Amino acid sequence: DGGITQSPKYLFRKEGQNVTLSCEQNLNHDAMYWYRQDPGQGLRLIYYSQIVNDFQKGDIAEGYSVSREKKESFPLTVTSAQKNPTAFYLCASSTREVYGYTFGSGTRLTVV
Amino acid sequence: AQSVTQPDIHITVSEGASLELRCNYSYGATPYLFWYVQSPGQGLQLLLKYFSGDTLVQGIKGFEAEFKRSQSSFNLRKPSVHWSDAAEYFCAVATGGNKLVFGAGTILRVKS
Repeated sequence: DGGITQSPKYLFRKEGQNVTLSCEQNLNHDAMYWYRQDPGQGLRLIYYSQIVNDFQKGDIAEGYSVSREKKESFPLTVTSAQKNPTAFYLCASSTREVYGYTFGSGTRLTVV
Repeated sequence: AQSVTQPDIHITVSEGASLELRCNYSYGATPYLFWYVQSPGQGLQLLLKYFSGDTLVQGIKGFEAEFKRSQSSFNLRKPSVHWSDAAEYFCAVATGGNKLVFGAGTILRVKS
């Protein structure tokens, strides 16, 4: 079945370390997105990519980096520069013609 | 800037009672509007979407929503709530480039 896979489901990181969250889709979608979710704040856009080898910053890109080397994959790196990284991270994808996203099941990152 | 407001952070309804979740948006052009549902620790699932045409749209799980341009609203309704509807609900509006802006969410609790 087609879908989006995020891994791992839970991730623990020590302060000062970089960590990479995986997002893979087999829906043949062109566009992919990373959102951060905090209680009471909804979803905030970190980065998005509408085509391979191209991506744009969202509203809260500071302290994060991404790559889009393959259509299927859009990994997110949370760097040590991100001051408050503990959150729930959601990856999504969409076609360029039809609005609306398909979401992965999320990764909960905790800094210890 | 585009924005979505969900005025109710929490709503509690009795099982079998009707439900209405409120959503107001701010967007200059014709909006593309969405409702998503999220169970704890999971990704978001699309309930329904409005692009154009009939202002009353039907979705999955017995939900419907009505677009009212004069009130900049897109409220979600269900005639009879089931315990399994307990979740968090997000309203969203599509902006240029197929990016979605989300509201802060409404947590629905169902009393038995």
